[in-house]
Amino acid sequence: GQNIDQPTEMTATEGAIVQINCTYQTSGFNGLFWYQQHAGEAPTFLSYNVLDGLEEKGRFSSFLSRSKGYSYLLLKELQMKDSASYLCAVRDKAAGNKLTFGGGTRVLVKP
Amino acid sequence: GAGVSQSPSNKVTEKGKDVELRCDPISGHTALYWYRQSLGQGLEFLIYFQGNSAPDKSGLPSDRFSAERTGGSVSTLTIQRTQQEDSAVYLCASSLRPDRASNQPQHFGDGTRLSIL
Repeated sequence: GQNIDQPTEMTATEGAIVQINCTYQTSGFNGLFWYQQHAGEAPTFLSYNVLDGLEEKGRFSSFLSRSKGYSYLLLKELQMKDSASYLCAVRDKAAGNKLTFGGGTRVLVKP
Repeated sequence: GAGVSQSPSNKVTEKGKDVELRCDPISGHTALYWYRQSLGQGLEFLIYFQGNSAPDKSGLPSDRFSAERTGGSVSTLTIQRTQQEDSAVYLCASSLRPDRASNQPQHFGDGTRLSIL
């Protein structure tokens, strides 16, 4: 099966940077996704990595190292609306290519 | 519609009753997933349908839970003899076939908030 670990909670200040780490173990890695979920809402797709390196999308970037089973999501120039849970999810060929989600990291942005 | 549609949005029922939750995926999406999310927790995988293949039911927590997908489109998740621990948000997601389009994300519906009294 898959093991996906991410911190439970992080706090940061408006305008600052926060890095959310995710470590995983899979037997047939086939991509890693980051989702954002505001309280009471559905998760929405943020980013996708399948090759090593950094993918940048505006204020959000995601990094992957397949050899280390490690990814991070970087949120820059934090805004109050970035307060949400951030979910790391891994696609595994050995599990029929379905996504398995980590427990999520709740980020609280303070003024 | 343009997105994944779930109904009802809220369901309150008494312990022991059966409930049926519905999911209408994005048109053209062959993969459909059900998840359960308890308050403040991550997503717990329940079941996965891909085209005409046999569904992956490995996440269903007990035999009180079942799901079907008719005509490769709409899916219903049925919980029989509900228990209080079944109270959660049930999320449905759909995607293009993941083994041919691995970069395609899952798109989620707004969920059904189920409360068992």
